[in-house]
Amino acid sequence: GAGVSQSPRYKVAKRGQDVALRCDPISGHVSLFWYQQALGQGPEFLTYFQNEAQLDKSGLPSDRFFAERPEGSVSTLKIQRTQQEDSAVYLCASSRRGLGWEQYFGPGTRLTVT
Amino acid sequence: AQRVTQPEKLLSVFKGAPVELKCNYSYSGSPELFWYVQYSRQRLQLLLRHISRESIKGFTADLNKGETSFHLKKPFAQEEDSAMYYCALSGSGSEKLVFGKGTKLTVNP
Repeated sequence: GAGVSQSPRYKVAKRGQDVALRCDPISGHVSLFWYQQALGQGPEFLTYFQNEAQLDKSGLPSDRFFAERPEGSVSTLKIQRTQQEDSAVYLCASSRRGLGWEQYFGPGTRLTVT
Repeated sequence: AQRVTQPEKLLSVFKGAPVELKCNYSYSGSPELFWYVQYSRQRLQLLLRHISRESIKGFTADLNKGETSFHLKKPFAQEEDSAMYYCALSGSGSEKLVFGKGTKLTVNP
């Protein structure tokens, strides 16, 4: 079946612009995660949803970052007034509900802020 | 604080040689440990997790709570094992993953 999909795959934004990154999880997966991966680093947790409820947003680096999943399926990560340090690959992952379930990752969106 | 350390950024071995990718963690409770792998131009995928005690593609990893380590081992490396490997943990009661910085494994012919 279809895996996790993300769009756009690449995004170039001028500093100060707002961007929106989309994630389509695997159908039926209750949990959805966003991670940020800077060059040469491992993925870092940003936020987590269970259905439409955002249960953990402790990893969001500033109030410029906002995520939503209004109907419990598709999720959008929005970054306002982008800065150069926001340049990274943004990964989305989904899993069945509960602890210990495998997280399935999307291909990522590479954001470059110029 | 939760932390995962992968001391080797790069690891190069010859085909048929044993390989060990090191992973140490810091966590005050009982974590779940995972190894994720990313092959060239592919997405990140789960290789194995300690709770299932499986051997995937010939790889094994043993959780050593005394040394807080979860090293990944394979007795005979293959060229197709060349990839980026990430060790990760999730804490009790939490699904989020904490990743190490990764080790790039190159298996030479």
